[in-house]
Amino acid sequence: GAGVSQSPSNKVTEKGKDVELRCDPISGHTALYWYRQSLGQGLEFLIYFQGNSAPDKSGLPSDRFSAERTGGSVSTLTIQRTQQEDSAVYLCASKEGMSSGNTIYFGEGSWLTVV
Amino acid sequence: AQTVTQSQPEMSVQEAETVTLSCTYDTSESDYYLFWYKQPPSRQMILVIRQEAYKQQNATENRFSVNFQKAAKSFSLKISDSQLGDAAMYFCAYRRTKGGGADGLTFGKGTHLIIQP
Repeated sequence: GAGVSQSPSNKVTEKGKDVELRCDPISGHTALYWYRQSLGQGLEFLIYFQGNSAPDKSGLPSDRFSAERTGGSVSTLTIQRTQQEDSAVYLCASKEGMSSGNTIYFGEGSWLTVV
Repeated sequence: AQTVTQSQPEMSVQEAETVTLSCTYDTSESDYYLFWYKQPPSRQMILVIRQEAYKQQNATENRFSVNFQKAAKSFSLKISDSQLGDAAMYFCAYRRTKGGGADGLTFGKGTHLIIQP
């Protein structure tokens, strides 16, 4: 696609339910990132994929959070047994290749509200 | 670990005036990249400008320019002739050239820029 696509754009879920957030990166981009942004805060790194593997998943806040990427393309971030503190915007980004100088492109995010 | 500090949580400027957003960072690396990203209410982060640390010349993109002071580890963004569409959160970011944790990318906490008509 033309840009990084994320779905759903907005999600309201009840505490304790599981949610899945989807990211479709720019075609051909091998690097994919998930960030979390709480209201009025900066970006919190969650996980980084290079192809289908995750060299760094140190930012996942608990074992309720998991992510996978298949076919070197679409990625899914899953939050199990959601808590109110999980409410945030979840941003996905992608980058071409492994060069540090390449631009990272962001999606518009998925706004998760846990009630 | 690298840290990026944006000391101005919020800035306000009159339309058509010039505003400077500050960013400092801490690193022991000699080669790296620096970025300014803009996040409007639509939430999508948009790259505004980038600077390679090995380049002494300050990057410029139309009304946006940076003042890169490598020794001081400072990377400020100047917006000239501010426009209403410039209103957004601005994030400063640092990236190592050798990857590493989070692929070597670290963001500041952001500065909320308000444009007064």
